[in-house]
Amino acid sequence: GENVEQHPSTLSVQEGDSAVIKCTYSDSASNYFPWYKQELGKRPQLIIDIRSNVGEKKDQRIAVTLNKTAKHFSLHITETQPEDSAVYFCAASFSGNTGKLIFGQGTTLQVKP
Amino acid sequence: DGGITQSPKYLFRKEGQNVTLSCEQNLNHDAMYWYRQDPGQGLRLIYYSQIVNDFQKGDIAEGYSVSREKKESFPLTVTSAQKNPTAFYLCASRTSSQSDEQFFGPGTRLTVL
Repeated sequence: GENVEQHPSTLSVQEGDSAVIKCTYSDSASNYFPWYKQELGKRPQLIIDIRSNVGEKKDQRIAVTLNKTAKHFSLHITETQPEDSAVYFCAASFSGNTGKLIFGQGTTLQVKP
Repeated sequence: DGGITQSPKYLFRKEGQNVTLSCEQNLNHDAMYWYRQDPGQGLRLIYYSQIVNDFQKGDIAEGYSVSREKKESFPLTVTSAQKNPTAFYLCASRTSSQSDEQFFGPGTRLTVL
C-alpha cells in the first residue's frame, strides 16, 4: 500500500542556518509531491510542490528535490527565520482524478533566534 | 483564507451521539476531502468525493459517513460507531481539472466528553 515516511520528527536550528526534512514514499507510481506548513491550531498551507518529471524546484528560501530512483524527496529551507517555526508535512499523490494525498508524520521545526 | 469554510470551530459531543461537521467551498472545485489529524501524526484520509452524488472511502472510513448532494458542500457525520473520535478534522477541496493542489479549511476540533 501507499506509505510516506518523514524524518526527522523534530528539528531545531539556529536562526540563519539551513533546515532539511526528508521523505520517502513507497509507490513508484506517485507523481505529485507537495509540502505543507501548519502553524499551531491552523490549517495546512501549501508552500511548495514538485512533480515527478522535475528534479528540483526553488521558491526564494525554499527548495524541494526529488530522487525518483530512490523514491525520496526533501525540503530545504535556507536562512531560516523564527517565523519558519511550524510543523511541516510532506505528501505523495497520484496525479489524476482522485487526488488522494498520503501524508508523512510531520516534522516540528523550531528556529531559535 | 476565504473559499473553504468549516463549522463549528470547536465541537463537544457526549459518547453515543452522532455529530455532523460542515464543510462549504465557493471555489467551484469538483473534488472534496475529509482528513483526520491526531497529535503528532500526519493527516489521514477519511472520505473523498470527486463529483456530486459520488464519494469513496479513504483509509479510515469506519465510523464516519458523508454526503455530496451539492458541489459546494461535503458534510461529515461522526457516528457513535467511531471508537475514538476526539481529533482535529480538516476538509479540503481541489479543482480536479487543472491542478493537484488541495486547499484546506480552518478545521473543526471535536472533543468527546
